[in-house]
Amino acid sequence: DVKVTQSSRYLVKRTGEKVFLECVQDMDHENMFWYRQDPGLGLRLIYFSYDVKMKEKGDIPEGYSVSREKKERFSLILESASTNQTSMYLCASSLWSVGSTDTQYFGPGTRLTVL
Amino acid sequence: GENVEQHPSTLSVQEGDSAVIKCTYSDSASNYFPWYKQELGKGPQLIIDIRSNVGEKKDQRIAVTLNKTAKHFSLHITETQPEDSAVYFCAARASQNTDKLIFGTGTRLQVFP
Repeated sequence: DVKVTQSSRYLVKRTGEKVFLECVQDMDHENMFWYRQDPGLGLRLIYFSYDVKMKEKGDIPEGYSVSREKKERFSLILESASTNQTSMYLCASSLWSVGSTDTQYFGPGTRLTVL
Repeated sequence: GENVEQHPSTLSVQEGDSAVIKCTYSDSASNYFPWYKQELGKGPQLIIDIRSNVGEKKDQRIAVTLNKTAKHFSLHITETQPEDSAVYFCAARASQNTDKLIFGTGTRLQVFP
């Protein structure tokens, strides 16, 4: 079974703090993704990575950065948390397939509250 | 950019009835359309997907249909059960050269016993 784990289920931080959200997958997947989920907006892609040390901006990268030093781990960083970054954050991974799209497997999510 | 619209946002059905969720997409180059189910407190989980070279795919009580000309695809759940209650998301592959998915805004399905 594919397993995607996220470091915290719930996190409460203060405005201006630096926040790290960690994601680990155990299936040797090349692709990893970070989304945020907000009511009425669905899942929006923040950043994704096709390989170690590679990253690409998604649809809403402002205020976020990422790090992928190892294949199994993809970190989302909020350099200076703001209240509008209060949200559910979902990590996903998928196998890279030539000319095809493989299933994205999601972690359980981290609900971040910024006070 | 690529956009996926999903309707309805909420759907309530009686146990045993059918449920249909519809999505439209904007990029005619999209060729992969997965559906995810998200239960309370969990991440989304793939339940069925369809690629653009087929018009319909079925898996027990779940089916997905795709109309490429009209750029819309639908999820059909027959004989609904209370455990089908969840939020359902449709998605479309952003383009042929990427593994990015564009998600719809979700449908909250409630199945009443």
